[in-house]
Amino acid sequence: QQQVKQSPQSLIVQKGGISIINCAYENTAFDYFPWYQQFPGKGPALLIAIRPDVSEKKEGRFTISFNKSAKQFSLHIMDSQPGDSATYFCAASEENRDDKIIFGKGTRLHILP
Amino acid sequence: DAMVIQNPRYQVTQFGKPVTLSCSQTLNHNVMYWYQQKSSQAPKLLFHYYDKDFNNEADTPDNFQSRRPNTSFCFLDIRSPGLGDAAMYLCATSSETGIYDNEQFFGPGTRLTVL
Repeated sequence: QQQVKQSPQSLIVQKGGISIINCAYENTAFDYFPWYQQFPGKGPALLIAIRPDVSEKKEGRFTISFNKSAKQFSLHIMDSQPGDSATYFCAASEENRDDKIIFGKGTRLHILP
Repeated sequence: DAMVIQNPRYQVTQFGKPVTLSCSQTLNHNVMYWYQQKSSQAPKLLFHYYDKDFNNEADTPDNFQSRRPNTSFCFLDIRSPGLGDAAMYLCATSSETGIYDNEQFFGPGTRLTVL
C-alpha cells in the first residue's frame, strides 16, 4: 500500500514557467512533509519542508502548499530554470525517534532552456 | 564541512562475491540509514540504526547485513550479490535536534554493479 502518492511522473516546463508537483498521503499521523531534490548520480538533498500547522511555506522560488483536510500537498517552483532539472521526491514522516520517511515515487522535471 | 561520506563511489563485484560499502559522517547524528535506489525509483529503506539499536525493514532480504561500530561509521554488507542487487546505495543520517527534527542528510551514494 503506497502511503504517499506523487504526480506527475515526469514534467516538462519552459524556462520561466511554474512547475507544479502534487502529492497525497493517507496516514493522518504524518506530521512532517519534506521535498527532496536529486540530481543524477547524487544523493537526495532536502529542498524545503512543512509541518501541518501551516498551509504554505515559501523559500525563494520554492513554495509548498499544504491542505490538511484533503491530505494533499504540492511543490511550486516559480520562474523555473534549467538548473532546476532534477528528480523531486515528496515524502512524509511521523514525529518519532527513528525519523523514518516515506517517499513518493518521484517526478522527473525537465526545464526547457 | 559536516557531511555524510560514502566509499567507494563506484563498486564493481562479481555475482556471489561479498561486498562491503561504507558510510561515515561528521554530523554526530545518532540515526543512520541505508537505502537502495534503483533507476528511476524512490529510495527504499533497507534498515537503520538508532544509536546502536538495529532496525531491519520487514522486506529486506537476509543477503543484506549492516554493522555500526561507532557513531561515525556504518557498513552495508551484501553477502552474495545477485544481478538484482545492482543499484545505488544511499546512506543517510538524522538527529533528534535541529531545524527540522526529521531531516535526513544523504551521502552521494555508492553505485554497485554486479557482473
